[in-house]
Amino acid sequence: DAKTTQPTSMDCAEGRAANLPCNHSTISGNEYVYWYRQIHSQGPQYIIHGLKNNETNEMASLIITEDRKSSTLILPHATLRDTAVYYCIVRADPVMDSNYQLIWGAGTKLIIKP
Amino acid sequence: SAVISQKPSRDICQRGTSLTIQCQVDSQVTMMFWYRQQPGQSLTLIATANQGSEATYESGFVIDKFPISRPNLTFSTLTVSNMSPEDSSIYLCSVPWGGTQYFGPGTRLLVL
Repeated sequence: DAKTTQPTSMDCAEGRAANLPCNHSTISGNEYVYWYRQIHSQGPQYIIHGLKNNETNEMASLIITEDRKSSTLILPHATLRDTAVYYCIVRADPVMDSNYQLIWGAGTKLIIKP
Repeated sequence: SAVISQKPSRDICQRGTSLTIQCQVDSQVTMMFWYRQQPGQSLTLIATANQGSEATYESGFVIDKFPISRPNLTFSTLTVSNMSPEDSSIYLCSVPWGGTQYFGPGTRLLVL
């Protein structure tokens, strides 16, 4: 079973920040939080990951709470092309186990509206 | 990043037939994963394919139904055998790379 819970769906206006929450209350100390997204009819795409510090890249920002029991993925200026299912996944330290299998939950269907 | 291609991108097949899906990676990788994604569902791992050894199947998936080949470090095939309409899904291959996983574009299969 997935170790994360996410809202089933969310809407966001184009140009606004999309904030996608994820709960992972049973996360272990050596587990990372990963975010992927799947645009319709495509394979999943890696977005970002983090352990405990907030992370930012060209696609998004990841905010992890101090107790690490939840996180938020932020798309700062959502566009229509960001409409997709977003998956929050907890996995073991990739340095220790590069072949760790990902366990996929249902994800959040994010719809960006014009 | 790892670039992954799959063939075919989609197919429509008759029940009782078999389809072989190819996955090609632009880098050498030890492991490759095969996933199934049924309509409206999330991804389910079918098996892990290691070069030079038998694939490891997840609960609910068997080699007779989903035989896998892994002839070298950049290529793998998944065969969906004796297909039924319940096999209609997207089939995805994936490889671990740089601390994450990269996915192919998927093969969309419709069984009539």
